[in-house]
Amino acid sequence: EVHLVESGGGLVKPGGSLRLSCAASGFTFSDFTMNWVRQAPGKGLEWVSSISSSSSYIYYADSVKGRFTISRDNGKNSVYLQMTSLGAEDTAVYYCTRDSSSWCCNWFDPWGQGTLVTVSS
Amino acid sequence: QSVLTQPPSVSAAPGQKVTISCSGSSSNIGNNYVSWYQQLPGTAPKLLIYDNNNRPSGIPDRFSGSKSGTSATLDITGLQTGDEADYYCGIWDGSLSAWMFGGGTRVTVL
Repeated sequence: EVHLVESGGGLVKPGGSLRLSCAASGFTFSDFTMNWVRQAPGKGLEWVSSISSSSSYIYYADSVKGRFTISRDNGKNSVYLQMTSLGAEDTAVYYCTRDSSSWCCNWFDPWGQGTLVTVSS
Repeated sequence: QSVLTQPPSVSAAPGQKVTISCSGSSSNIGNNYVSWYQQLPGTAPKLLIYDNNNRPSGIPDRFSGSKSGTSATLDITGLQTGDEADYYCGIWDGSLSAWMFGGGTRVTVL
């Protein structure tokens, strides 16, 4: 069974940094593009970033460009999101999700359960 | 404001049909495949429709998708109380090199 488990969320002060991880299992991780999507409390879904299977292609939403860095370790079946210069607007549940193929972006399935990031003093 | 426009809410009685629209442009819906996601209260989103009109295994045929020009539509027939959720359309926008979600539509079963 395909499984995605996010970790690393928590409370961080404005201006701080946090690194999210997503551990994948049940499929050949190195064959798929991976994505991060977030959802602020009471709001809709917002795509954050995508990384192709071999890390050749990386994309970011304008709202996080220059502050967030996506990376992956195919040997550890994991994808990461390094977040810096965090502000209140980054408070959200962050979901890890798999793309349908090795190149971006077609559809997202499955999704992890999410990890909550709260930016507050 | 989302690049993809969805109605904030739709509602209907059990057994009836609801239609959710997703309006975009030539750089997204006009040139790529639309997917739809269901988010039940308190849970992670789930893929409902991919490539405009295909259902993943396990999704009932009460859910169907279509696309015409720069708009897409999700139909839910035989509405059930368990269908109460938020529904999002999604697509890659080639001109922006970014994935886009619609603002979401809340379905209420009266």
